[in-house]
Amino acid sequence: KQEVTQIPAALSVPEGENLVLNCSFTDSAIYNLQWFRQDPGKGLTSLLLIQSSQREQTSGRLNASLDKSSGRSTLYIAASQPGDSATYLCAARFRETSGSRLTFGEGTQLTVNP
Amino acid sequence: DADVTQTPRNRITKTGKRIMLECSQTKGHDRMYWYRQDPGLGLRLIYYSFDVKDINKGEISDGYSVSRQAQAKFSLSLESAIPNQTALYFCATSEGGTVKETQYFGPGTRLLVL
Repeated sequence: KQEVTQIPAALSVPEGENLVLNCSFTDSAIYNLQWFRQDPGKGLTSLLLIQSSQREQTSGRLNASLDKSSGRSTLYIAASQPGDSATYLCAARFRETSGSRLTFGEGTQLTVNP
Repeated sequence: DADVTQTPRNRITKTGKRIMLECSQTKGHDRMYWYRQDPGLGLRLIYYSFDVKDINKGEISDGYSVSRQAQAKFSLSLESAIPNQTALYFCATSEGGTVKETQYFGPGTRLLVL
């Protein structure tokens, strides 16, 4: 079964700290891997998408990496800010699933303390 | 204005009632999706549609039905609501077709079935 797992489920850090969120997936045959941000009362916002042929993507203070051979992706957040507090979800689009279906992890709830 | 809108945003209903959740998009995308999110389980796909004449079941379609009234509108119905359908429901859209495909999410509908 194709699954996505995120560790840890929750993370609390002081402002300014660099941090890494982890995502693992069970099948290396993917089209892409995406990272989303979810704020309370709002939908999901796509942060970064890494195609299967890519190793990483960067946007501002965010950097996402992809290692298909180990089934892992990481989201690195530099110089964290209280505004980064949210739930971060990773999702894989496996080649074997139909309908462009995204398989989501359970999410990591991040709190950045001032 | 938001590209993907959902109505209602919150709904409380009783067991056995029929309810409809609606989704509209202005992105011009052909593909639309319905997901539900439960604490600790991530998002799971209920139904998806690649165009007006195409409807497909996702991984947890039992107890749900959908209608694609137009390219821009995709409705989810619970014919006879039950308490374990209490969840946060998201509609999403995508352009489809490539490894660069990402999905755009609405703000969600919080449903409570008593």
